[in-house]
Amino acid sequence: EVQLVESGGGLVQPGESLRLSCAASGITFKNYWMSWIRRAPGKGLEWVAHMNEGGTEKFYMDSVKGRFTISRDNGKNSLYLQMSSLRAEDTAIYYCVGWGLLNYWGQGTLVTVSS
Amino acid sequence: DVVVTQSPLSLPVTLGQPASISCRSTQSLAHSDGSTWLHWFQQRPGQAPRRLISKASNRDSGVPDRFSGSGSGADFTLTINRVEAEDVGVYYCMQYIHWPHTFGQGTKLEIK
Repeated sequence: EVQLVESGGGLVQPGESLRLSCAASGITFKNYWMSWIRRAPGKGLEWVAHMNEGGTEKFYMDSVKGRFTISRDNGKNSLYLQMSSLRAEDTAIYYCVGWGLLNYWGQGTLVTVSS
Repeated sequence: DVVVTQSPLSLPVTLGQPASISCRSTQSLAHSDGSTWLHWFQQRPGQAPRRLISKASNRDSGVPDRFSGSGSGADFTLTINRVEAEDVGVYYCMQYIHWPHTFGQGTKLEIK
């Protein structure tokens, strides 16, 4: 069974940092492009960041460039999102998503940025 | 950025009746390999999204055959030929040929 399990979400104040993790099992992780996609309360889905299989190509949405960093450890079957200078508008459920012949989503981890 | 526009945003449907959702992109999603780089997703209440359709018209494994995708270029449609209660949720199209990849606003399907 394929599982993508996110962790690391929580309540933080504006300007603070948070690191999200995603542990993958049941797939050959190193063969998958991986993304972080979010859904803010009452809004639609938004593509945050994306990384190729080897970690050599990274893409970010404009509003998180310079603040968020996506990374992966293929030896640990894990994906990460380091988030800094968090803003209220970053409040959302963050999903870890794998892209190959098939597509897999985790259940998401909630990040709340509020004072 | 490529803008993807869905309509309608709210879709009340009677059980057993058909439903369709339109998705339009500001740029063509046709790839040089002949495929079309558009996905359709379903997000049921309280669940993570799941992909229903890849490359505009290819149903994912396990997706009921009442779901179908059609279209080309910049104009696409998701059709459910007989809506069931389990189809309630929000449906999104997404283009992934242009960066940043962008989603439509979502269409909320509910049962009348």
